[in-house]
Amino acid sequence: AQTVTQSQPEMSVQEAETVTLSCTYDTSESDYYLFWYKQPPSRQMILVIRQEAYKQQNATENRFSVNFQKAAKSFSLKISDSQLGDAAMYFCAYSPYGGGADGLTFGKGTHLIIQP
Amino acid sequence: NAGVTQTPKFQVLKTGQSMTLQCAQDMNHNSMYWYRQDPGMGLRLIYYSASEGTTDKGEVPNGYNVSRLNKREFSLRLESAAPSQTSVYFCASSRPPGGLYGYTFGSGTRLTVV
Repeated sequence: AQTVTQSQPEMSVQEAETVTLSCTYDTSESDYYLFWYKQPPSRQMILVIRQEAYKQQNATENRFSVNFQKAAKSFSLKISDSQLGDAAMYFCAYSPYGGGADGLTFGKGTHLIIQP
Repeated sequence: NAGVTQTPKFQVLKTGQSMTLQCAQDMNHNSMYWYRQDPGMGLRLIYYSASEGTTDKGEVPNGYNVSRLNKREFSLRLESAAPSQTSVYFCASSRPPGGLYGYTFGSGTRLTVV
C-alpha cells in the first residue's frame, strides 16, 4: 500500500516570505499522480497543484510550485510571497495512475501559519 | 453550482444510535468515496465505489456500511455509533482516473458521538 509522510506538523512564515512544505511518499508504481490540497478553517478541500509522475517538469500555479524528485520520492510545495490567505492546513496526497480502489492517500497535514 | 453535496453539515448522536450520511454529485462521475478526518491523521478512506452497485473497503471500514443507490448518490451508514466515530466526514467523487481528471470534495459533515 502507498504511504504519504508529511514530517512538519506546523510551519510558520512571515508575510511576503517564501516557505517550503515537505512531503515524501512510498510506492512501487512508476506512474501516479501527486497533489497538494489546502484546507482553510471552512473545511473545504481546495486543490492547490497537481503533478503527473511521468512528467519531469515541475508543476507551477502562480505563487505555488513543486519540487518533484521521483527517485527520492519527494514532493515539496513552495509558496512564494506568502499571503495571510495562505494560512491553512496543507495536505499532500497520492493517487494511482489507473484510479482504482485506493482513491487518494493523504499525509497527516502541515498547519501553515502566516505571521503579519 | 455543480459539485458534491453532503447532508447534514453537523450532527450529534448518542452512543448506540444510528444515522446515514447522504452524498450526491451532479457531475456524472463514476467513482465516489467516503473519507474521515481526525486531528493529526489527515483524511483516511472508509469506502469507495467505482460504479453503481459496487463498493470496496478502504483503510478504515469497520463500523460503517455504504450504499451506492445510483450513479449520483453514495450514502454512509453508522448502525451503532461509538465515540471513536466522532470525526469530520468527507464525500468525494471523480471521473476515473481521478488523478487525471481530478477529485471533487463535499463540504464535510462534523459528527459528534457522545
